[in-house]
Parts: sequence; structure tokens; C-alpha cells
Amino acid sequence: QQQVKQSPQSLIVQKGGISIINCAYENTAFDYFPWYQQFPGKGPALLIAIRPDVSEKKEGRFTISFNKSAKQFSLHIMDSQPGDSATYFCAATHSNYQLIWGAGTKLIIKP
Amino acid sequence: SAVISQKPSRDICQRGTSLTIQCQVDSQVTMMFWYRQQPGQSLTLIATANQGSEATYESGFVIDKFPISRPNLTFSTLTVSNMSPEDSSIYLCSVGDRVANYGYTFGSGTRLTVV
Repeated sequence: QQQVKQSPQSLIVQKGGISIINCAYENTAFDYFPWYQQFPGKGPALLIAIRPDVSEKKEGRFTISFNKSAKQFSLHIMDSQPGDSATYFCAATHSNYQLIWGAGTKLIIKP
Repeated sequence: SAVISQKPSRDICQRGTSLTIQCQVDSQVTMMFWYRQQPGQSLTLIATANQGSEATYESGFVIDKFPISRPNLTFSTLTVSNMSPEDSSIYLCSVGDRVANYGYTFGSGTRLTVV
């Protein structure tokens, strides 16, 4: 019940296209859902996050869509650029502050 | 968000030896965590570093192997003891701040190779 399932494992998108990464969870106590971006040799960096009281959050080209009833959330990257090539992790947490991590998605944007 | 300085950034160590990794934060933070990440894999929480008390370890990790200190709200160390090649991994320090609304920040990591 503590798992966060992330898909796909890897994704190749053409420059200018939309990248979509999906996550699903079981624990309804989760109340914070962040996405992290990690470049090789760096630690993960918080990209965008959402709470379950909203269905969508947008920051620039990055959008989180949240479906509370389906217990799913997804990251959309609009107008994907080669600089977006990285590994993306979804996560979830609740009052104990411990992040539960997805398995990660390696995103490659082809020029 | 907090800025983390993690040292060393990488090291190659002989089996049977120990390595201490330092995590320095530029501001006082409530929570500090230590993670392990195999290349290409997700993150695994080793322990939560508690200020002034013993760290809280996750299943599969023990204090004798991974002793942790946290003497104050801005600094922590993780020691990898009696290393074996299986300990080769990336070790990451992370901090969280309840005031900052779960805004977890990560250091750049320590890439450890045990030979």
C-alpha cells in the first residue's frame, strides 16, 4: 500500500512533442505528490508538486494532472526540449514526511 | 530552498575500510535524510537523521553498518563501515522543512566505489 508505481520506464519523444509520465498510488493518506528531475551526476531536484485538493497544476511547460478517484497523477512536459532529457521520479508522502518514490522514467528528447 | 554541500563528491575505497560522508546545510532544517541510489535506479531511504538522538533506520539498514550523526540542525554525517563492493553506490543527503511545505532538497551525492 506504500508503493508508487511509475510508467513508462523509458520514453523517447521528438523535440517539440509532449512527454507524459504516469504514476499510481494506493495509500489514500498521501497528501503531497512531487515530481523530481535528475540529471546524471546530480541529486534529484524538485520540479513541480501538487496536493490532492486540486486536479491540475501548471508551471511553465510542466503540468501535473491529478485524479484523486483513480489514485493517479501524471506529468506532462509540453514542447519538450533536448535539455529536458533526464530521469524523472514521481513521489508521494503524508504526515510522516517520508517520500515514497516511483521507479523513475528515463526521458530522451530527440532533436 | 536550502542549499546543501555534500562531501566528498566521489571516492574509491578499499574493501574493509570506512568512509564518512558529510552533509552541510546553509540553514536550519527540521528533517535530514540519507538515501542510497544505484545508477539508473530509484532512491532507497537509509535513515532519518534526528538531531540530538539516534537515527531512525529503514528495514535492511543497521546502525553498525551505517552510523549517522546529527549534532545540530545544519549538519549530518553518514559513515559506510567495513565496506564491500556491494556498497558501491551513490549516497545522497536530503533535507526537508515543514515550513517550506515538504520542499525536500537534495545534495549532489557521493559516488562511492569499493574495490
